Amino acid sequence: GAGVSQTPSNKVTEKGKYVELRCDPISGHTALYWYRQSLGQGPEFLIYFQGTGAADDSGLPNDRFFAVRPEGSVSTLKIQRTERGDSAVYLCASSLIGRADTQYFGPGTRLTVL
Amino acid sequence: GQQVMQIPQYQHVQEGEDFTTYCNSSTTLSNIQWYKQRPGGHPVFLIQLVKSGEVKKQKRLTFQFGEAKKNSSLHITATQTTDVGTYFCAPTSGGSYIPTFGRGTSLIVHP
Repeated sequence: GAGVSQTPSNKVTEKGKYVELRCDPISGHTALYWYRQSLGQGPEFLIYFQGTGAADDSGLPNDRFFAVRPEGSVSTLKIQRTERGDSAVYLCASSLIGRADTQYFGPGTRLTVL
Repeated sequence: GQQVMQIPQYQHVQEGEDFTTYCNSSTTLSNIQWYKQRPGGHPVFLIQLVKSGEVKKQKRLTFQFGEAKKNSSLHITATQTTDVGTYFCAPTSGGSYIPTFGRGTSLIVHP
C-alpha cells in the first residue's frame, strides 16, 4: 500500500474487555513501531519490531499489553483487561531497518474504554 | 529515559507573523528529528539534524541544532494557516535508536 494503515480507526470497549489493534506497514519496511498518544502529549513509545521479533518492548506499560508480528509484516497490538486509563490514540509507524529516525506513521486507532 | 522539554506549549500568531519552537535537553543528543501533526492527523516526518550547529531550511521553515547538541529550534517565517498543527521534536541519545517525542508546540494561526 501507499502508506501505513491501521484498523479499526475507532474502537469503543468496556472496562475489562480484550481488544486487538492492527497495523499494516509500508511494503518493504522491516521496522515497525507502536506508540500511544494521549491528548496534549507526544507519542509515547511502546514497542519496536525488527522483522518478526520484538527488538525493544521497554515501553509496554505492563503485562496487559502484548504485540505480535508473526510474518514480519502486519502487527497486532493486544490489550487484555482494558482499563479507562488505556484510552488514547494508538499509533503505528514503520521504517526501513536502521532508520528509526525517519518513521512513517499510520492514522492511528482511537481507543475509548468506558 | 531521554527527557526533552519543548517550549512554548501553545503559540497563537496572526497570519504573516513568525513562529519559533524550542526543544531543550539536559543531555547531549545523537540526532534530532522534527515532526508535524495536523489537528486530527498523525505525525509526519519533517527533517533530521545530526551535526553540531547544523542548519537546514525547507521553504519558510528553518531548523537548527545547537552547537552542544543539547537543543534545537524550528522557525517558521511568515506563517500561513496551513502551518497550523503541533510540532514535535524527537531526539535520540546515548545508545537508544528510538526517538523520544517531546510534548510538542501547538501553533494556532489566526487569519
